[in-house]
Amino acid sequence: GESVGLHLPTLSVQEGDNSIINCAYSNSASDYFIWYKQESGKGPQFIIDIRSNMDKRQGQRVTVLLNKTVKHLSLQIAATQPGDSAVYFCAENQAGTALIFGKGTTLSVSS
Amino acid sequence: DGGITQSPKYLFRKEGQNVTLSCEQNLNHDAMYWYRQDPGQGLRLIYYSQIVNDFQKGDIAEGYSVSREKKESFPLTVTSAQKNPTAFYLCASSYLGGAEAFFGQGTRLTVV
Repeated sequence: GESVGLHLPTLSVQEGDNSIINCAYSNSASDYFIWYKQESGKGPQFIIDIRSNMDKRQGQRVTVLLNKTVKHLSLQIAATQPGDSAVYFCAENQAGTALIFGKGTTLSVSS
Repeated sequence: DGGITQSPKYLFRKEGQNVTLSCEQNLNHDAMYWYRQDPGQGLRLIYYSQIVNDFQKGDIAEGYSVSREKKESFPLTVTSAQKNPTAFYLCASSYLGGAEAFFGQGTRLTVV
């Protein structure tokens, strides 16, 4: 079936750098794309979402970019901090169904 | 405080036994979901429910069963038919059609 995938399983950055986490998706009919953060042993936490009719959305220190032409989603984290270390998942949602998740990217921030 | 609660946090069972994982939410969400997560993997959908007394199979429903008798509750039973039940199980809820799902803290099930 169709699924959401991620380009890299791990990403290592220095504290203060900007981080970019990428995701490729295949379902053109999805209404929303969402980024979640999961810390070890905990449930995922919502970070930011973007509707399919948008190409950019900004939050606090985070920006999500959506490129529907190449079916690509990215999460940019500005001034990455050690507390940002976690696994990041992208997910897609089509109205009336459940979220479908990718495999995740582990972000490691060193100080 | 509003939230979604899973219990227990850790669960050990002998092979061949059925086990039921609890999930309760007081967020007044219509939709509830169960996911399974294996080490280093993403979340795979087991079952979801958008309304009381109705639910749909996800990608890996075999060996699992659910019920939705109340809006607040969506228990998951891992049956003896599930070949590899040891995993981290996550429950979530959301408004119907909403993008944001709220997750519980998970139940780590170990079958020995």
